[in-house]
Amino acid sequence: GENVEQHPSTLSVQEGDSAVIKCTYSDSASNYFPWYKQELGKGPQLIIDIRSNVGEKKDQRIAVTLNKTAKHFSLHITETQPEDSAVYFCAASRGGNEKLTFGTGTRLTIIP
Amino acid sequence: GAVVSQHPSRVICKSGTSVKIECRSLDFQATTMFWYRQFPKQSLMLMATSNEGSKATYEQGVEKDKFLINHASLTLSTLTVTSAHPEDSSFYICSAKSGGSTDTQYFGPGTRLTVL
Repeated sequence: GENVEQHPSTLSVQEGDSAVIKCTYSDSASNYFPWYKQELGKGPQLIIDIRSNVGEKKDQRIAVTLNKTAKHFSLHITETQPEDSAVYFCAASRGGNEKLTFGTGTRLTIIP
Repeated sequence: GAVVSQHPSRVICKSGTSVKIECRSLDFQATTMFWYRQFPKQSLMLMATSNEGSKATYEQGVEKDKFLINHASLTLSTLTVTSAHPEDSSFYICSAKSGGSTDTQYFGPGTRLTVL
């Protein structure tokens, strides 16, 4: 089955700086890669996703890049703000009704 | 759009009792719903996948007789934890996706279960 590794497990960034979280996956058939943000005591919230036919996707301060050859994808947050502090999870799936396999999560702390 | 609700948000029960958690898609029809379990400071672990009108598919190691899942309509799935014990205490989260070509799963706010 799919295995998703995520690094780092914790990340502290000065407000205004950029944050990068990286994930690798094992299943070459995976073609859908979402990123979720989870605040304490709440459910995960989809922040951005990318499909395998695209190498990069951007939404305001958030971007995701995908390298299918190397089987890794990354989340980039620019101009970080205190409200960006949360746990971020990457995931991978073969798409359709296939299940998501989650990474282990990254606790991001933005230092004011 | 794409809102998923869960009820209750928190539940405390005595050991040996059963607890039902509801998951509803409020503004779309969910052909597939997923149930996850999350321990403190850990990732989400998929428990089962349910499709409307059919039996749920459970992940390896998840007891189907203990965690009963019903997906009776396109907007409602329920998870019943039967004969709950303290080790069942956890954060239970559902997600839903609509039919068609979309891959996106929308998550509910979660239910905190505490078994005394």
